[in-house]
Amino acid sequence: GQQLNQSPQSMFIQEGEDVSMNCTSSSIFNTWLWYKQDPGEGPVLLIALYKAGELTSNGRLTAQFGITRKDSFLNISASIPSDVGIYFCAGQVVETSGSRLTFGEGTQLTVNP
Amino acid sequence: NAGVTQTPKFRILKIGQSMTLQCAQDMNHNYMYWYRQDPGMGPKLIYYSVGAGITDKGEVPNGYNVSRSTTEDFPLRLELAAPSQTSVYFCASRVGGAGSPLHFGNGTRLTVT
Repeated sequence: GQQLNQSPQSMFIQEGEDVSMNCTSSSIFNTWLWYKQDPGEGPVLLIALYKAGELTSNGRLTAQFGITRKDSFLNISASIPSDVGIYFCAGQVVETSGSRLTFGEGTQLTVNP
Repeated sequence: NAGVTQTPKFRILKIGQSMTLQCAQDMNHNYMYWYRQDPGMGPKLIYYSVGAGITDKGEVPNGYNVSRSTTEDFPLRLELAAPSQTSVYFCASRVGGAGSPLHFGNGTRLTVT
């Protein structure tokens, strides 16, 4: 099946720093999504990207859909303690039955106050 | 709206026992999904459904069964529990296919000993 490589696996940063994480795939996706998961909860959608080259922001978060359609990155600016959590990328091929998502392995973010 | 509701929140099973994980959504979503998430990994798709009466296998269906007799409910059945099925199970739903956000429940934490 399709696989997503997400990096880094974990990050330890100081409050106020900027963060960048990315996902790459050997397959082409036509939708990229970024989710955040807090302990004991399900993932929550942060940003959805639908077109190659698209750059979308949601507050301090910015994500881009790579031109090759095989990668995406997420940036968090001026991190705060509540940014702590696990961030997942997910790719989707629209034409597949059920428009199934493939998830990356996650980036665990720790923010030191 | 309650969103996606999963029960139970926690369960411990002995090897060979069976159980049903319940999932209900009150958003009139056609598409529903079951994922399992192992420690340090992204969610992996077990089964999905694009509407009442229609189900299909995902990446990791072995050892599980599903049914979709109504739009609202999508139960996941484990017939002969094995230690390898120890995981956190998430149910998710979306109104349609590509472009519609995926809503996750808060998960069921299952331990098989």
